[in-house]
Amino acid sequence: QSALTQPASVSGSPGQSITISCTGTSSDVGNYNSVSWYQQHPGKAPKLMIYEVSKRPSGISNRFSASKSGNTASLTISGLQAEDEADYYCCSHAGNRVLLFGGGTKLTVL
Amino acid sequence: QLQLQESGPGLVKPSETLSLTCAVSGGSVTSSAYYWGWFRQPPGKGLEWVGSVSYSGTTYYNPSLRSRIAISLDTSKNHFSLNLTSVTAADTAVYYCARPSDGSGFYWDFWGQGILLTVSS
Repeated sequence: QSALTQPASVSGSPGQSITISCTGTSSDVGNYNSVSWYQQHPGKAPKLMIYEVSKRPSGISNRFSASKSGNTASLTISGLQAEDEADYYCCSHAGNRVLLFGGGTKLTVL
Repeated sequence: QLQLQESGPGLVKPSETLSLTCAVSGGSVTSSAYYWGWFRQPPGKGLEWVGSVSYSGTTYYNPSLRSRIAISLDTSKNHFSLNLTSVTAADTAVYYCARPSDGSGFYWDFWGQGILLTVSS
């Protein structure tokens, strides 16, 4: 099993929207609605932002939304804020309780 | 409030066995339906799932590490452990322990602070 594919970096200005893609295969992203997204600030533990493709845990801003189409999942952050600058990772179940992560995307808020 | 705390040696020599422990407070490792997991992140690189163990002790491992790892629960000490044998420099990483908010074992929202483990002679 290979890691999921994410762009290495994305950027946007405050107030704008950005989308991060996460491409897998029919054995992982395309086969399970068990996609999640994590935010990680430097030196900190990851933080769960999205689960089950598009659900937000309690306390997560509705500026964060996500979806899936075929083998590709997407995370959209609207109304970009400086605090959103971080690394973002997608994660998918790949069968037999195996989890695959994407390589991570560095979001820069200009 | 659930809290997780990793502990371990910090430095391990190549070919030796890495042993890490995750102490759990504010909850029990035998809480029904929960999983407990280990993740790692090499310096400057992305996250990798290492493996998980269920409240009943059933284990699930990253296929790329399966021949070298063992994850177990210690109910008497309320912690769970990771053993990784025959380590190399490629195993140098920050290791995190975590627990999901539900019984799926797929979505991890309680994390330890992480511990840096360096493999070097």
